[in-house]
Amino acid sequence: DAGVIQSPRHEVTEMGQEVTLRCKPISGHNSLFWYRQTMMRGLELLIYFNNNVPIDDSGMPEDRFSAKMPNASFSTLKIQPSEPRDSAVYFCASSWGLADETQYFGPGTRLLVL
Amino acid sequence: KQEVTQIPAALSVPEGENLVLNCSFTDSAIYNLQWFRQDPGKGLTSLLLIQSSQREQTSGRLNASLDKSSGRSTLYIAASQPGDSATYLCAASSNDYKLSFGAGTTVTVRA
Repeated sequence: DAGVIQSPRHEVTEMGQEVTLRCKPISGHNSLFWYRQTMMRGLELLIYFNNNVPIDDSGMPEDRFSAKMPNASFSTLKIQPSEPRDSAVYFCASSWGLADETQYFGPGTRLLVL
Repeated sequence: KQEVTQIPAALSVPEGENLVLNCSFTDSAIYNLQWFRQDPGKGLTSLLLIQSSQREQTSGRLNASLDKSSGRSTLYIAASQPGDSATYLCAASSNDYKLSFGAGTTVTVRA
């Protein structure tokens, strides 16, 4: 099994640019989660989907952030426009379901906004 | 809002010593408690998941206990090895299925 795949692994962009992060969950998993990790705030849940439907986006920091899951094998997290304070490592995770299920994390995308 | 705390933030032990990592949470109405390992520059790897009805889980040299009434979980790693050096995070899942993470304990096992 390939595990959760994220791309790109590293992204450097300038303030004001649009950033799109991509995630392919483990085949057969029904739930997908986007997290952000920073030194100051640790690991935070941004949004999660179940069966491709967004369930809770209360962790999305601002309207500049949006996420989609058009099908069971692909999700995107978009930041527009990006700001330096968005610099962080963004993780995608997937699981079989929501209840009592282990989450499997991708390697993360390290984002630097200059 | 669930708050998860891990103390200490860092720990250094000689090889062969047993490790004890602590995790506390504020809301005892958790769905489950999970322990993860994170290596530098990598994603998280799940180690153990303890359901709210369970008191402990074991996997090889790892054993995790859960005491909901006191809001505590402990991860024990027996006979530590240099390869156990990593950051260990605990996360509590509430009824809304959201995981709240602690800041982690960074472990160094000296050869």
